[in-house]
Formats: sequence, C-alpha cells, structure tokens
Amino acid sequence: EVQLVESGGGLVQPGRSLRLSCTVSGFTFGYYAMNWVRQAPGKGLEWVGFVRSKGYGGTTEYAASVKGRFTISRDDSKSTAYLQMNSLQTEDTGIYYCTRADTVSGAKYYFDYWGQGTLVTVSS
Amino acid sequence: DIQMTQSPSTLSASVGDRVTITCRASQSISSWLAWYQQKPGKAPNLLIYKASTLDSGVPSRFSGSGSGTEFTLTISSLQPDDFATYYCQQYNSYPLTFGGGTKVEIK
Repeated sequence: EVQLVESGGGLVQPGRSLRLSCTVSGFTFGYYAMNWVRQAPGKGLEWVGFVRSKGYGGTTEYAASVKGRFTISRDDSKSTAYLQMNSLQTEDTGIYYCTRADTVSGAKYYFDYWGQGTLVTVSS
Repeated sequence: DIQMTQSPSTLSASVGDRVTITCRASQSISSWLAWYQQKPGKAPNLLIYKASTLDSGVPSRFSGSGSGTEFTLTISSLQPDDFATYYCQQYNSYPLTFGGGTKVEIK
C-alpha cells in the first residue's frame, strides 16, 4: 500500500524558517518525482514545486510565489522528500500536501498519490 | 502562466443526476489535464489524467473528455459519495496550475 506521511508543520513567526518532511512507503521512492501542493484555509489548491527523480536529473521546479525562499530536496536512502521554507510570510499559511508525481517520459507530471497534509501557520 | 477556469464554481444536484463540470485553459495544453476530487478535511484524490484516462479504482461513472483548451468531467449518475469539490490541473507547462474548484452540493 502506497503511503505518504508529512511532518514538521506548526506555528512559526513571519520571517522564520520551517522544514517539512514527507516519508513514503509502498513504492520505490527513487523512481518517482516528489511534489508539494498547498491549500490556504478555505481556498483552492496551489502547486508549490517538485523534485525530479535522479533518473531525470534530480532537478527542481517552483512556483513563482515561493521561488528563492523554498527549497525541495530528496534523500532516496531515507525515502523522504523535504520542503525547506525560509522567510515565511503570513500568506504561506495553509495545509501542505506531499504528493507522488507520475510522469510521461519525465516531461509531464501529475499527482497520483497524496499524503494527509500538514498544517503550517505563519503568525506573530 | 496558463490560467485554468472551472465552471460552475458551485453545482447543486440530486442523487442519480448526470453532472458535467467544465475546465478551460487560457492556452492549449494538448491533453495534459488531470482531475481531482477533494472531500472536506481530506487530501485530494486523483480521478483522471491525460484528460480521459481513469485512474485505477475510480468508478466508471466518472469520465473525462476534451483537448486543447476545453475539457469536461462528467459523472453519469451522481452517488452520495460524489458530493465533494473537484479541481482540474494542467501539467503541460510550468508553473503547474489548478482550476479554482467546483463544489458539488446536494440539491
């Protein structure tokens, strides 16, 4: 059974940092890109970014709203993806979901498995 | 950026109804479109990818169609478990973008 479990959320002051983790089981982590999506309270879904598998270079893509502040990485030996969030702003508040990203030839990615999400609240 | 526009934003329907949700892209995305279902307090769940391919385990009453800029999600006979919010998402180009969602409510 595929499982993705996020951790690391919580209350943080504006300007501070937080690191989320996503630990998976039930599939070969190294074969897949890993992705983050967030959802502000009562709002829709917003793509944050993802990291490709090492087979496709392990490179990253980000939404403009987080580029330069957030960094996505992966540790295949631990079957874990990370979202390092720096210079947090109140508008970063929301539930952060980790997803597996399936692909066609490493160019087109959609999200076939999701974690339960972890809540990040940025407030003074 | 490619804008994804869903309509309607809210839909009231009864069990057994045929329901159609529309998603329009601001430029062509070929067939690189996915649909997700989200129930309150839960993570989204993939229903359809590549515009019309049903994900494993998704009931056959769900179907997707379209290409280019116009797409539809159809539920052939609405069931009690289908009352939820539905999102489309394009994965043709970066940034990946979602539609604003369509909430399907009980009439």
